[in-house]
Amino acid sequence: GQQLNQSPQSMFIQEGEDVSMNCTSSSIFNTWLWYKQDPGEGPVLLIALYKAGELTSNGRLTAQFGITRKDSFLNISASIPSDVGIYFCAGLSGGSYIPTFGRGTSLIVHP
Amino acid sequence: EAQVTQNPRYLITVTGKKLTVTCSQNMNHEYMSWYRQDPGLGLRQIYYSMNVEVTDKGDVPEGYKVSRKEKRNFPLILESPSPNQTSLYFCAILYTGELFFGEGSRLTVL
Repeated sequence: GQQLNQSPQSMFIQEGEDVSMNCTSSSIFNTWLWYKQDPGEGPVLLIALYKAGELTSNGRLTAQFGITRKDSFLNISASIPSDVGIYFCAGLSGGSYIPTFGRGTSLIVHP
Repeated sequence: EAQVTQNPRYLITVTGKKLTVTCSQNMNHEYMSWYRQDPGLGLRQIYYSMNVEVTDKGDVPEGYKVSRKEKRNFPLILESPSPNQTSLYFCAILYTGELFFGEGSRLTVL
């Protein structure tokens, strides 16, 4: 099945830096979801986006639903060590119950 | 709050020995699904179910079976596990347009 193009694949940053990652698709989605996954654990939903152009924040995290409905962005400001993990996106088409996933961005934060 | 419970969390088994991974939800959500997650491949859907007695194949259904006899439960069955089914498995529900995952079941087939 299709997968979303997620970049970067990995990031190594210093504590306090801002982080940006994005997902792009050749298909249009009605919903974008962003998750964080710690090693060996289940993905935890961070932010859900439902409208093109929507900008939503959750603490230091901000995500945007691209205007074309084919992309989405996640930003983390002032990173801290506990931000370490894998972040991935998921897209849902209108009326579909089958999500499409990105392969994830592995984030490492050096204290 | 939507809650998804999987069991077992960890299992080591041998080739050919049938096993079942259970998944239950705390609300009557219609949509449930199973995924496997492997390094470099991300999450891939195995099977999904839209309602009781309604199931369909995802991207990688070979070697797996599911059943949905009641809304709350959606077990994943490996009739004859093989080493290539060693993976991290997740059950998920769709609730208010958002996908919620269980904590995962790490399966090793020797």
